Amino acid sequence: GQQLNQSPQSMFIQEGEDVSMNCTSSSIFNTWLWYKQDPGEGPVLLIALYKAGELTSNGRLTAQFGITRKDSFLNISASIPSDVGIYFCAGRSGGGADGLTFGKGTHLIIQP
Amino acid sequence: DAGVIQSPRHEVTEMGQEVTLRCKPISGHNSLFWYRQTMMRGLELLIYFNNNVPIDDSGMPEDRFSAKMPNASFSTLKIQPSEPRDSAVYFCASSLGGGDGYTFGSGTRLTVV
Repeated sequence: GQQLNQSPQSMFIQEGEDVSMNCTSSSIFNTWLWYKQDPGEGPVLLIALYKAGELTSNGRLTAQFGITRKDSFLNISASIPSDVGIYFCAGRSGGGADGLTFGKGTHLIIQP
Repeated sequence: DAGVIQSPRHEVTEMGQEVTLRCKPISGHNSLFWYRQTMMRGLELLIYFNNNVPIDDSGMPEDRFSAKMPNASFSTLKIQPSEPRDSAVYFCASSLGGGDGYTFGSGTRLTVV
């Protein structure tokens, strides 16, 4: 089946630093999404990307849909304590109602 | 909007017992997904429904797992008999389709002892 390789697995950073994480796929996706999960809760959608090369921002978050359609990255600028959590990339190769394939997640830990 | 509602939030059961997890999707959403999350395997899609019809159940691990969606506002995931390796957090998510991503529930943490 489809696999997503998400890296890094975890990040320990200082408050105020920028963060970068990425996902690569073994197959082409036509949708890339980035989610954040807080402890004890389900993942929450941060950014959705629908076109190769697309660059989308949501506040301090910026994500890009890779040109090859096999990768995506997420950047967080000027990290703050509430950015702590697990970030997941997810991709879909089929139609809009098909299931998403998720990466294993990036654990972000911020030291004040 | 109350979001996707899952019950129970926590379930502890003995091996061999039947477990039923419940989900109420967001009103108007026509797709419903069941995921399982573990440390080792991350988020795995178990099964999803479109307009109450099961579309892909290839992620259901074994015949011990079954899912139903009798109407647009309710779905169940049943494990019978349960085993310790079924211990995980089970998430339900719903969407309107069209690639807008899902809305997840808060999950059910299942522990089988």
